[in-house]
Amino acid sequence: DVKVTQSSRYLVKRTGEKVFLECVQDMDHENMFWYRQDPGLGLRLIYFSYDVKMKEKGDIPEGYSVSREKKERFSLILESASTNQTSMYLCASSLGGGRVDYGYTFGSGTRLTVV
Amino acid sequence: GQQLNQSPQSMFIQEGEDVSMNCTSSSIFNTWLWYKQDPGEGPVLLIALYKAGELTSNGRLTAQFGTTRKDSFLNISASIPSDVGIYFCAGQLTGANSKLTFGKGITLSVRP
Repeated sequence: DVKVTQSSRYLVKRTGEKVFLECVQDMDHENMFWYRQDPGLGLRLIYFSYDVKMKEKGDIPEGYSVSREKKERFSLILESASTNQTSMYLCASSLGGGRVDYGYTFGSGTRLTVV
Repeated sequence: GQQLNQSPQSMFIQEGEDVSMNCTSSSIFNTWLWYKQDPGEGPVLLIALYKAGELTSNGRLTAQFGTTRKDSFLNISASIPSDVGIYFCAGQLTGANSKLTFGKGITLSVRP
């Protein structure tokens, strides 16, 4: 089974801190994604990447950046954390090449609280 | 971005009951997927559908790809307490290069 591992389940950070959320997948997937999930708003796409060193903005990229230096790792960076970035963050990966054979595989999520 | 329509936001059923959920879109999809998210976890794929009219089962779950390609249905039969969670539908627009569009999800509660 594909595994997507997010480095932290729970994180508490202070306003203004730079925050790194790490995600690693172990099945050589081309595509990786970062979502945030808030009650009543569903899953909102922050950034995604189709290949190493490539990144594209999703629907809500403001306040975030990403890094993909290696195929298996996709990092989400909050440059200066704010309280409105308190949320559940989900990383996902997929095969790539325009195929959606098995959809996305999600990590367990990181619940970030900014105080 | 575009989202699929799932309603209501929450459903409450009695253990043992069947429940149906649907997902609609104004656009055509060529793939439909259903995910379940347990509390505190990430979504897990339940069923994937690849052809219009396709009907697929996974245990007590049955899902269908609508013939118009603009909707999909998920049925859960004989519900049990561990069915609680959030159920998301997702679709891929033609040519979207693997990016899925998600519904907002339906939170299912099962009363023992």
